[in-house]
Amino acid sequence: GQNIDQPTEMTATEGAIVQINCTYQTSGFNGLFWYQQHAGEAPTFLSYNVLDGLEEKGRFSSFLSRSKGYSYLLLKELQMKDSASYLCAVFDQTGANNLFFGTGTRLTVIP
Amino acid sequence: DAGITQSPRHKVTETGTPVTLRCHQTENHRYMYWYRQDPGHGLRLIHYSYGVKDTDKGEVSDGYSVSRSKTEDFLLTLESATSSQTSVYFCAIRTGTANEQFFGPGTRLTVL
Repeated sequence: GQNIDQPTEMTATEGAIVQINCTYQTSGFNGLFWYQQHAGEAPTFLSYNVLDGLEEKGRFSSFLSRSKGYSYLLLKELQMKDSASYLCAVFDQTGANNLFFGTGTRLTVIP
Repeated sequence: DAGITQSPRHKVTETGTPVTLRCHQTENHRYMYWYRQDPGHGLRLIHYSYGVKDTDKGEVSDGYSVSRSKTEDFLLTLESATSSQTSVYFCAIRTGTANEQFFGPGTRLTVL
């Protein structure tokens, strides 16, 4: 089975840096995804990690440690529009090769 | 934009009635998925398809059926809707590169 944990809520200040953690346990790990979801909208793809290390994409970076079952999403220079839920999802290659999602972290950016 | 549309976008129905939700894609992707999203549960897979007439169950498939007679359309049917099926339903497609999934705009279904 799969077990994915991430904090339920976080608050950070505009212009600051925030790190959203995700830990996972899965039998057939084959990649980890981060999605952003604004209230009332569909999730949108942010990043994908399959190997250990840091992937940087503009203000957003994502890190993976497969041995620790751990990932984080780093958001720099926070803007008000970054207020959203951030979903961690694990791609499991056992069985049907599907994505399994955590319950999401709701980030609120305050002035 | 991955060329995914869902219809209807909103629907209110009564317990016991049949409901069909449609997902349409324009880019010929092989894999398509139906998820539901509920507070406290995150996104959960209902059914998925890996080609025309090829479908399989996800983790919350009870009470749902699907069909895929054309590459571009994936239908989700609730044969007899129940209040527990009130949810937001998302369709997704999977690209062939890094296996990321792209989501449609969602359908908000309310079963009274």
